[in-house]
Parts: sequence; C-alpha cells; structure tokens
Amino acid sequence: DAGVTQSPTHLIKTRGQHVTLRCSPISGHKSVSWYQQVLGQGPQFIFQYYEKEERGRGNFPDRFSARQFPNYSSELNVNALLLGDSALYLCASSFENTGELFFGEGSRLTVL
Amino acid sequence: AQSVTQPDIHITVSEGASLELRCNYSYGATPYLFWYVQSPGQGLQLLLKYFSGDTLVQGIKGFEAEFKRSQSSFNLRKPSVHWSDAAEYFCVTGGGADGLTFGKGTHLIIQP
Repeated sequence: DAGVTQSPTHLIKTRGQHVTLRCSPISGHKSVSWYQQVLGQGPQFIFQYYEKEERGRGNFPDRFSARQFPNYSSELNVNALLLGDSALYLCASSFENTGELFFGEGSRLTVL
Repeated sequence: AQSVTQPDIHITVSEGASLELRCNYSYGATPYLFWYVQSPGQGLQLLLKYFSGDTLVQGIKGFEAEFKRSQSSFNLRKPSVHWSDAAEYFCVTGGGADGLTFGKGTHLIIQP
C-alpha cells in the first residue's frame, strides 16, 4: 500500500511569491494534518483537516491556508513568502480525527 | 498547554550498548505521549505511544518507554543499539484537533 505522498519534494521560491504543496493520504484515511519543520527543530502544527473541514489550526499567520478535497487529498498554500518560511513541510494522515499519524517525507521549500 | 522537553540535544552510544533518551512532559491530566524517529529519506515514523493503562509501553524496532507520573517523564529505552538506529528522536504529546507538539529532538550518534 502506498504511504502518504507529497509533491513537490523540493522547490525554490523568491520572497513575495506564493506556493502550493500537495498531499495524498493513505487510502482510507480521512484526516490530514500539516506541519512545518525548520532546520534543527521539531515539527510545528499548522492545520488539521477531517472530512474536508478544518478541525484545528496552529499559531501561523493568515498567509498560510489549506483545504481538503472530496478524495481526502489536501493542499497547503502559503502567500507572500518570507525567508523564514524556508522549511520542510510535512503532511500526515490518519484514519480518524485522533490517532496515529503517518507522515510523508515532506516538501522542502527554500525561499530566496 | 501541553509541552515536552528533551534535555539532550546529542547522544553518542557505542553499537551494542544500551540507550536511554530522556523526555519530560508538562500537562496536568494524563497526557497522550509518543516517540517518533526521523531518519534521512525516511520521514517520521511512530515508535510507540502511551494513552493510558500499563506504564511500560513496547514499540517497534525493540524500543520501549516508561511513563512515570511522579517524575513527569516518558523516557525511551533500547537494550542494545544497532548502527541503523542513528537518527533524530522526538518526544511528542497532544493529538487530535490541537495537533501534535514535538520536542526539539535528540540526535543519536552510534559509534562503531
């Protein structure tokens, strides 16, 4: 069975641009969460979606947004990129609203 | 708010020696606690989890952890480490709509 897949794996953007990151959860999983991992730190919670509705949001500015589609895949959008947005963005899925999270390998964003 | 502290940034252990990684949690009620491992190119993987019940928890790859309420600790142990155990280890709490809260991680180095 395929695990959580994320695309793209690497990308480079310049300040002020926007970026869209994509995530496909494990088949049958209805919940998707997004995390930001800055180099040398643990991941930080950005969003959780369950059954296409936002169920939780971490302490991130409104430049960050996300959505979940009917097939449970998800997109994370970041507008007006800042240098500090450079990080590994991790997507995780789970069968229900709570429970074990299965992580993808991440999308590494570099903002120049 | 729930939080975890990992006091050791780096740990060096000889192959075949025993391992203990420390974690302290801060939460009034019984917390949900996890240990995740992150290896290059493999993403984050759940080693074990504690929700309630038996305070000694067995995980994958020969790891175990013990929940000690009196010490607010959830230390990870392994009796004999292998070179493949070299990775970043995260103690984690939380879950559900509030997302997971990760510690800063402990980088494990295995000496031959």
